[in-house]
Amino acid sequence: DQQVKQNSPSLSVQEGRISILNCDYTNSMFDYFLWYKKYPAEGPTFLISISSIKDKNEDGRFTVFLNKSAKHLSLHIVPSQPGDSAVYFCAASSPGNTGNQFYFGTGTSLTVIP
Amino acid sequence: GAVVSQHPSRVICKSGTSVKIECRSLDFQATTMFWYRQFPKQSLMLMATSNEGSKATYEQGVEKDKFLINHASLTLSTLTVTSAHPEDSSFYICSASRQGQGVYSNQPQHFGDGTRLSIL
Repeated sequence: DQQVKQNSPSLSVQEGRISILNCDYTNSMFDYFLWYKKYPAEGPTFLISISSIKDKNEDGRFTVFLNKSAKHLSLHIVPSQPGDSAVYFCAASSPGNTGNQFYFGTGTSLTVIP
Repeated sequence: GAVVSQHPSRVICKSGTSVKIECRSLDFQATTMFWYRQFPKQSLMLMATSNEGSKATYEQGVEKDKFLINHASLTLSTLTVTSAHPEDSSFYICSASRQGQGVYSNQPQHFGDGTRLSIL
């Protein structure tokens, strides 16, 4: 059962415009959310995170928004650059008996067109 | 969608025990699988890249003799933590990509749900 879902497998955006990547989750116990960026043949790299006590976290061109009532988070990239072309994974964490258990979405492939 | 199964989901064992974790691609063939380690609230750390039929490529700082990786078929890779100690306690996760669509293209990596390893 997929507890974290990224329903858009791909997204194309013109350079300079805003990229919006979406993620939905089902488990209300999740308290920590992350976005990973992944280039081909490389492992995912951590991009940005947000705690459930916040609804927004910003780091440079990247902003993550969390809507707990809708169980939805999104990653905004503005302005988008060709180097942002990669696969983006959202992930969610809930406290477990022996530590945090992470659940990942299946990824959204972002293509930024020059 | 593609499914990657990782087993077991949780292991608790004594220090000195060797633990094997399996990663299976259930509905696609995976030429490449990745093994990650993750500490609580931290980013995934890539441990090694496992290629079917060849030796795994380990990341810097990862002990090859400690973390044995075998990728004997297009659907199965295993990670064995040999003589595990408490400092090896962590969350291990694998991922896999489809064969044919290529690991060198922008295709999603499909992750297993991870294995929580606790060494007493």
